[in-house]
Amino acid sequence: GAGVSQTPSNKVTEKGKYVELRCDPISGHTALYWYRQSLGQGPEFLIYFQGTGAADDSGLPNDRFFAVRPEGSVSTLKIQRTERGDSAMYLCASSRRTVDTEAFFGQGTRLTVV
Amino acid sequence: QKEVEQDPGPLSVPEGAIVSLNCTYSNSAFQYFMWYRQYSRKGPELLMYTYSSGNKEDGRFTAQVDKSSKYISLFIRDSQPSDSATYLCAMSPWGGYQKVTFGTGTKLQVIP
Repeated sequence: GAGVSQTPSNKVTEKGKYVELRCDPISGHTALYWYRQSLGQGPEFLIYFQGTGAADDSGLPNDRFFAVRPEGSVSTLKIQRTERGDSAMYLCASSRRTVDTEAFFGQGTRLTVV
Repeated sequence: QKEVEQDPGPLSVPEGAIVSLNCTYSNSAFQYFMWYRQYSRKGPELLMYTYSSGNKEDGRFTAQVDKSSKYISLFIRDSQPSDSATYLCAMSPWGGYQKVTFGTGTKLQVIP
């Protein structure tokens, strides 16, 4: 596809359930970023991948959150034992290289925990 | 205190007006400054990317950075209804997008 694709676009889950959010970056982009945006707030950094490895996961709020990118392309953000406070827009972005001046964001996955 | 402060608005202006959007920051390590536009229920879209102090112009948009005052601005000339969106400032100590710090966003409405 032409842009960063995120699925699903919306996800409603019950408290305590496990969810997976998928990000399909622009083809050839080696750097991939996950951000979380709560209502009325700016995006907050979660984790950054360079290739297959997580180069910086310091933004993950706790050990319920985990992300993988096994083949250096598609990435999955995994949230265990979801809590109502996890409700937010989860944004994925990619850039060709880490130092690129532009990263392209997907449309996000809106997660609602009820 | 947040590292990046941005007035959330909303800011409402008539079509054709000049719009001024601003952010202040506290981290003197920030060297790369960005402005993003975000339409409702969409991902952010990069408008301007600047390094260090100075001005940068792109069409109707001008970005200004004053590192001595820790203050950045985005000016929109001849504003259009299609400019109605939330505008996010963002900044980083490094080039690239690892650990970029965003402002909370200013919601702008341009009235025809």
